Amino acid sequence: GENVEQHPSTLSVQEGDSAVIKCTYSDSASNYFPWYKQELGKRPQLIIDIRSNVGEKKDQRIAVTLNKTAKHFSLHITETQPEDSAVYFCAASKGYSTLTFGKGTMLLVSP
Amino acid sequence: GAVVSQHPSRVICKSGTSVKIECRSLDFQATTMFWYRQFPKKSLMLMATSNEGSKATYEQGVEKDKFLINHASLTLSTLTVTSAHPEDSSFYICSVPGTGNQPQHFGDGTRLSIL
Repeated sequence: GENVEQHPSTLSVQEGDSAVIKCTYSDSASNYFPWYKQELGKRPQLIIDIRSNVGEKKDQRIAVTLNKTAKHFSLHITETQPEDSAVYFCAASKGYSTLTFGKGTMLLVSP
Repeated sequence: GAVVSQHPSRVICKSGTSVKIECRSLDFQATTMFWYRQFPKKSLMLMATSNEGSKATYEQGVEKDKFLINHASLTLSTLTVTSAHPEDSSFYICSVPGTGNQPQHFGDGTRLSIL
């Protein structure tokens, strides 16, 4: 089955800096890669996603890049703010089937 | 508004109690629902896929007799943790496959604490 590796496990940045979280996947058939933000005790919230026919997608301060050949995708957050502090999960799936999640990255943005 | 309703949000009970968690799809019919478990500071792990009108599909290592899943209608799936013990304490989240831009809609989760 699919295996998703995520790094780093924790990331501390100063407000205004950029943050990058990286994930790799094992199943070349996976074609959908969402990123979720989860605050303590809350459900995961989809923040951005990318499909395998696209190399990059941007939504304001958040961007995701995908390298199908290398089977890795990354989340980029620019101009970080304290409210960006949360746990971020990457995931991979084939179409709308079950998601395989990475282990998560705890992002801490210090004022 | 919420697409998936999950109840209860929090349960605290004694060891040996059976606990039922409900997951409702509010906006559309769902022939499939997913149940995840998340331990503190860990990722979401798929426990099982709930199938309307048939048996659930359990992931490897998940005891089907321990975690009973019933998907009796196109809008409701239930997860029953039978004879719960402290090691079953966790955050349980259901999700419903969606359409359009999101493949899954998550419920708000249930925090289960077994004393």
